[in-house]
Order: sequence, then structure tokens, then C-alpha cells
Amino acid sequence: GDSVTQMEGPVTLSEEAFLTINCTYTATGYPSLFWYVQYPGEGLQLLLKATKADDKGSNKGFEATYRKETTSFHLEKGSVQVSDSAVYFCALSLTGGGNKLTFGTGTQLKVEL
Amino acid sequence: EPEVTQTPSHQVTQMGQEVILRCVPISNHLYFYWYRQILGQKVEFLVSFYNNEISEKSEIFDDQFSVERPDGSNFTLKIRSTKLEDSAMYFCASSPGVPQLTQYFGPGTRLTVL
Repeated sequence: GDSVTQMEGPVTLSEEAFLTINCTYTATGYPSLFWYVQYPGEGLQLLLKATKADDKGSNKGFEATYRKETTSFHLEKGSVQVSDSAVYFCALSLTGGGNKLTFGTGTQLKVEL
Repeated sequence: EPEVTQTPSHQVTQMGQEVILRCVPISNHLYFYWYRQILGQKVEFLVSFYNNEISEKSEIFDDQFSVERPDGSNFTLKIRSTKLEDSAMYFCASSPGVPQLTQYFGPGTRLTVL
């Protein structure tokens, strides 16, 4: 079945460090890919998305490129801030049926001063 | 900006009791979803709903669960006889539909079964 694999957390970085959170997927078709963020005590917010190969999603300084050849959608940010501390979820959705989201396990990011 | 709302924010119930979790999706959206997140675990799909019927459901969504869109705005999840293992955060989401697959999530209802 369809699945998403994320790097294990927690990830602890100093402010202004470079962030990469790895995400790979397995899907029977051509999925759309998403990163959602969950701040402490809150719900899920869409961070960015890409709907086809080589698309780059970006928002708030975060970027991810849909790589079909490596089935990956790694999340990057050049300079993290303390306010980026949250749990980041990679997810995929396939057109058809209910278009459900399949999530990875989430990666907790903690940014320290 | 329109958003998905959910009530209540926290529900405490006794094992075996029925609970109804309520959601108001974004008004022009056509697809509606419920997900759950057990503490410390991944977000899991429960059910999707389109055109007044279930379009897909997971293995978790057994006969104890049901969904309904009783009017033009609300979308509810009912658990008939709650179990301890139903304790989780339940998220409602909605999406405009194909080709726009992006789902917008509500803040969640924390269900605690004692």
C-alpha cells in the first residue's frame, strides 16, 4: 500500500542552522505531496505542497522538491528560528476514491538559541 | 480567511458512552474527512465523505463509527460505544475537491475515554 517514511526525530538545532528533514514515499500512482506542521497544542497546518514531479513547494522560507526518480520530498530551510519548533509531517494524496492523506510518523524539531 | 472549526475542543466520556464530535468545514468545500492522532503517534485516516456518502474508510472505521452531514454546514463523527483505545485527538478536514487536493484541518477535538 501507499506509505510515507520520515527521518526519526527529535531533531535539535541551533538558531540559524540549516534544516533538512528527509521524506520518501511509496505510492501506486502519481501522488501529490505535502508538508504539514503542528505547533505545540495546535492542529495541522499546511506548510507547502507539490503536485507533480520537479515541482518545488515553498512557504515561510521552507522548501521541498518533488523528486520522482528518488521518490523523495525532503524539507529544507536555510536558517531556522526558535519559532519553527514544531512537529513536521510529510504526507501524500492520490487522486481518486476519497483522496485521503497518508502521513509519515512526524519529525519533532526543536530549535534552541 | 475561512477555516475549519471543531467542537468541543475537549471531550471526556466514560467507556461505553456515545460521543458526537462536530465540525464545520469551509463553506464551498466538497470533500470532508476525519483523522485521528493517538498521543505520540502518527495521524491516521478514518473516513472521507463526498456527495452525502462515504467515499473511503479505513480499517479503524468499524461499525462503532458513523459520519453524517445533517445540514448544509455541519459534519459529525459519532462513536457509538467508546473504548479506552478511542482516546485520541480527532481532526476534521475539508477540501475543495479535484483538482485541488489540499486539505484544510480544524484544530481538533481531544477525546478522553475513562
